[in-house]
Amino acid sequence: AQKITQTQPGMFVQEKEAVTLDCTYDTSDQSYGLFWYKQPSSGEMIFLIYQGSYDEQNATEGRYSLNFQKARKSANLVISASQLGDSAMYFCAMREGWGYQKVTFGTGTKLQVIP
Amino acid sequence: NAGVTQTPKFQVLKTGQSMTLQCAQDMNHEYMSWYRQDPGMGLRLIHYSVGAGITDQGEVPNGYNVSRSTTEDFPLRLLSAAPSQTSVYFCASSLTGARTEAFFGQGTRLTVV
Repeated sequence: AQKITQTQPGMFVQEKEAVTLDCTYDTSDQSYGLFWYKQPSSGEMIFLIYQGSYDEQNATEGRYSLNFQKARKSANLVISASQLGDSAMYFCAMREGWGYQKVTFGTGTKLQVIP
Repeated sequence: NAGVTQTPKFQVLKTGQSMTLQCAQDMNHEYMSWYRQDPGMGLRLIHYSVGAGITDQGEVPNGYNVSRSTTEDFPLRLLSAAPSQTSVYFCASSLTGARTEAFFGQGTRLTVV
């Protein structure tokens, strides 16, 4: 079974609009962490945001926020006020357990921002 | 700050050849890992290490070997290259702990012909 599922292979959003990228996860651990990374066409992986399973509030980092719904096992990334530079692949990832753990990635969503 | 350095950036191999992808980090991170990225499949974990002398297999370890003799270096060896190993390879490092994100190298684009 997939541990991380990203069901949107591609998305379009108008510049300055908000967009939500979906991510659902599967784990039996009580302690885990969820990450979002951005991969522009240049290929590097850029960390965006982190949410811990015990965090009571949704994480926010500038224009990025994570809509964490623990009961539904979803960790959607919300990008507000989209910019052309947001066009990229976005990966959701999960670390299970505490301390050192392996990180599992989803298959990614390609976001294109339209002027 | 160098961060995570991977070499080479590009490589073409013939089937059956062996080679080593280099990865070095200067952040004193305990955890290092290797991923491969294939279209439509995201990043899949090949091998990882929690410290010098300690390595373990990830999701797709077959055909690859690793060792970790120092904290800084984590080379990935392809024993006998196959066309199925054509991919982009990423090395990543992080501190251990819940809130620590991974820092990635720039990637190595490997083609096996």
